[in-house]
Amino acid sequence: QKEVEQDPGPLSVPEGAIVSLNCTYSNSAFQYFMWYRQYSRKGPELLMYTYSSGNKEDGRFTAQVDKSSKYISLFIRDSQPSDSATYLCAMRPGANSKLTFGKGITLSVRP
Amino acid sequence: NAGVTQTPKFQVLKTGQSMTLQCAQDMNHEYMSWYRQDPGMGLRLIHYSVGAGITDQGEVPNGYNVSRSTTEDFPLRLLSAAPSQTSVYFCASRTGGGQANEKLFFGSGTQLSVL
Repeated sequence: QKEVEQDPGPLSVPEGAIVSLNCTYSNSAFQYFMWYRQYSRKGPELLMYTYSSGNKEDGRFTAQVDKSSKYISLFIRDSQPSDSATYLCAMRPGANSKLTFGKGITLSVRP
Repeated sequence: NAGVTQTPKFQVLKTGQSMTLQCAQDMNHEYMSWYRQDPGMGLRLIHYSVGAGITDQGEVPNGYNVSRSTTEDFPLRLLSAAPSQTSVYFCASRTGGGQANEKLFFGSGTQLSVL
């Protein structure tokens, strides 16, 4: 079993839809959880960061962590065509430890 | 502010050729790393460095060498290219202060094809 599993997609939704992206993990030591967004032919960029369990909201984006279920989610409200990108979850046990990435899911928001 | 700069953007090699992928950052970051990204495999760490003169292996180091003689530069060398090294390569850097929320800054990638 891979340490981090992410739905492979791709995912296509109409503009304005609520999008839910998910990752599961097996290493209970993970404490720091991130979502990176990657536009086509670009490098990934950090979108959201969460420590331990709980929710974090930033505009239309909400990151959710459920450590008891080893499950993290990224919700996008009122999705826009500009949200079309690949989304990668990433996590690590400690502040200085290496990041483990999910495989990424490609989202397309149709106008 | 340039951030992380990678060159070249595209490269085609023949099997057995050698080349160096260049990476430079102007943010005075201590930590630098190289990833490769393949369809269905996600980002995999090749090598990383926590400061000048210090390097270590990541998840998939075979076939690649690195060195870190300055804080700014972290080149990745392919000594004898193989078709299995066809991939998109990303360089990334961050501060080394151990802050939990510090983010990785990625370059725009090098698309490498080995024939």
